[in-house]
Amino acid sequence: DAGITQSPRHKVTETGTPVTLRCHQTENHRYMYWYRQDPGHGLRLIHYSYGVKDTDKGEVSDGYSVSRSKTEDFLLTLESATSSQTSVYFCAISTRQGLYGYTFGSGTRLTVV
Amino acid sequence: GQQLNQSPQSMFIQEGEDVSMNCTSSSIFNTWLWYKQEPGEGPVLLIALYKAGELTSNGRLTAQFGITRKDSFLNISASIPSDVGIYFCAGPNRGSEKLVFGKGTKLTVNP
Repeated sequence: DAGITQSPRHKVTETGTPVTLRCHQTENHRYMYWYRQDPGHGLRLIHYSYGVKDTDKGEVSDGYSVSRSKTEDFLLTLESATSSQTSVYFCAISTRQGLYGYTFGSGTRLTVV
Repeated sequence: GQQLNQSPQSMFIQEGEDVSMNCTSSSIFNTWLWYKQEPGEGPVLLIALYKAGELTSNGRLTAQFGITRKDSFLNISASIPSDVGIYFCAGPNRGSEKLVFGKGTKLTVNP
């Protein structure tokens, strides 16, 4: 029973369409993060949240928005998907920012055609 | 901002060999974390280090917190095929405490 789940696991979408990825946790952790992973770039932070309705931008936030209306859910939205947003997206959670590390979800592989 | 440099970028070894990889930074970290990512999955925390000079083991894995606080090392002894994956180092940014990640060392083990 994973404490963090991402949905969908795979998605193919067309350029210009909106896409929403969901991260759900059962750990009641305060902090949640969205990363993208691309070859040669490692893990890059898109957005993060430090509580309900409290979110902030990461290093690659352009073209993405997030929402957190409940502790357990953190949504990532691509307003108008582009091919450059083809990537693997990971959600992560933590109790005290980075001090004890993050727990990651299994990822969503998104392909924009 | 703080950056973590991992080396080597990739390794190809034979089953049974020992593996060493490292992570360095130009700035001090007070915590070092090592993650493993298997194909198709998210990274999983292997070892956490909180004190300079600390040496911590997890099975065949041993990690060390460098005495200068600017580096950390991960060793894997007697590698097996299931050790395949990408190994990341990470540490909390001194200002924000958000994790900074290295770009990873990709390990391939030939049976």
